[in-house]
Amino acid sequence: DAKTTQPNSMESNEEEPVHLPCNHSTISGTDYIHWYRQLPSQGPEYVIHGLTSNVNNRMASLAIAEDRKSSTLILHRATLRDAAVYYCIPGVSEKLVFGKGTKLTVNP
Amino acid sequence: GAVVSQHPSWVICKSGTSVKIECRSLDFQATTMFWYRQFPKQSLMLMATSNEGSKATYEQGVEKDKFLINHASLTLSTLTVTSAHPEDSSFYICSAPSGGGGRWYTQYFGPGTRLTVL
Repeated sequence: DAKTTQPNSMESNEEEPVHLPCNHSTISGTDYIHWYRQLPSQGPEYVIHGLTSNVNNRMASLAIAEDRKSSTLILHRATLRDAAVYYCIPGVSEKLVFGKGTKLTVNP
Repeated sequence: GAVVSQHPSWVICKSGTSVKIECRSLDFQATTMFWYRQFPKQSLMLMATSNEGSKATYEQGVEKDKFLINHASLTLSTLTVTSAHPEDSSFYICSAPSGGGGRWYTQYFGPGTRLTVL
């Protein structure tokens, strides 16, 4: 499994964009980059995934570095409901191995 | 989107008893499901892979005789914590993948079961 490095915590203000970085320098060529988030006392939920190209969906955008050794999850306008632990998980989709993630705090 | 349920959502039991936790995929079939454990303020730790029709695969360090997994059907996996002790108190979460096509899947997670062993 590829090792990941994410900030332990980040803060944002409501309605502002948030950029959550992740380093995954040991990622293999066939690994997807998944992002999941976990709200307090809940199971994780899927946010977005990518392989090589940048990706957008209704929740977020994923920017993947050209060498694929890092990626950034972008929340375009943070809301209070986005307060969660965000996990960057490189690897195969069928079996996710979670790192420590980044705890995002959103201030009103 | 697909839904995964867990039952019970919380359970309190006495030390030495066994507890069964159910994980169901409500609107899709899953030949594989995964069980995780999460201690307070820690990340999810993968415990085992539940395989429909065959034995579960356990991660290193997880006692298979203590955490019994049965994948009874394409929509149900159960985790039984046998002879539970206070150190088994944790948040247990299951997940099931649903195909996105090709090699990629979305993992759908249950809401978790909080186990407290007295």
